[in-house]
Amino acid sequence: AQTVTQSQPEMSVQEAETVTLSCTYDTSESDYYLFWYKQPPSRQMILVIRQEAYKQQNATENRFSVNFQKAAKSFSLKISDSQLGDAAMYFCAYRRVDSSYKLIFGSGTRLLVRP
Amino acid sequence: DAGITQSPRHKVTETGTPVTLRCHQTENHRYMYWYRQDPGHGLRLIHYSYGVKDTDKGEVSDGYSVSRSKTEDFLLTLESATSSQTSVYFCAISLLAGYDEQYFGPGTRLTVT
Repeated sequence: AQTVTQSQPEMSVQEAETVTLSCTYDTSESDYYLFWYKQPPSRQMILVIRQEAYKQQNATENRFSVNFQKAAKSFSLKISDSQLGDAAMYFCAYRRVDSSYKLIFGSGTRLLVRP
Repeated sequence: DAGITQSPRHKVTETGTPVTLRCHQTENHRYMYWYRQDPGHGLRLIHYSYGVKDTDKGEVSDGYSVSRSKTEDFLLTLESATSSQTSVYFCAISLLAGYDEQYFGPGTRLTVT
């Protein structure tokens, strides 16, 4: 069975600085998708970034980028120029490419942003 | 934002009572999902639907049933609520199964006393 692990329950970053959130996963599949979701206090789940396992190039979305290490089964999220609005819970998630529909989530990392 | 609404947004109920949560979408997406979120567990899939009247179980389906009689509505029922079902429930939708992001509704906080 696939599992997703986020070993950092909470992280803190100074405004305008850079922070990296860690995620590791376990799978025997060769093709899959990985996601980072943000959950602010409003509780809404917001997709931040997505990575296809067959792509070697790391995904980037504005200030958000990932470091995808397929062999190590590692998928970290880097937030550059952190802003107060980045404060939230961040969840890493995995999904197979085939007809298995479900997202498998990690337990989350709470990000605090200090002004 | 994807057109997904959940009702009610908050509910308090007593142990042993039936509860139905509704997810409504205006996107005409084929796939719909119910997740629950608990501290330390992230989100876990309860049930999902891949079309009208087509549903299947997720990893934490015990004590829950679902129904989908129309494309736009996906109902989650707790036949006899228990305190262990106190949680935040999220509905999600996707256009395709394996090749599309899932978009989430705003969540329903359910408290079973």
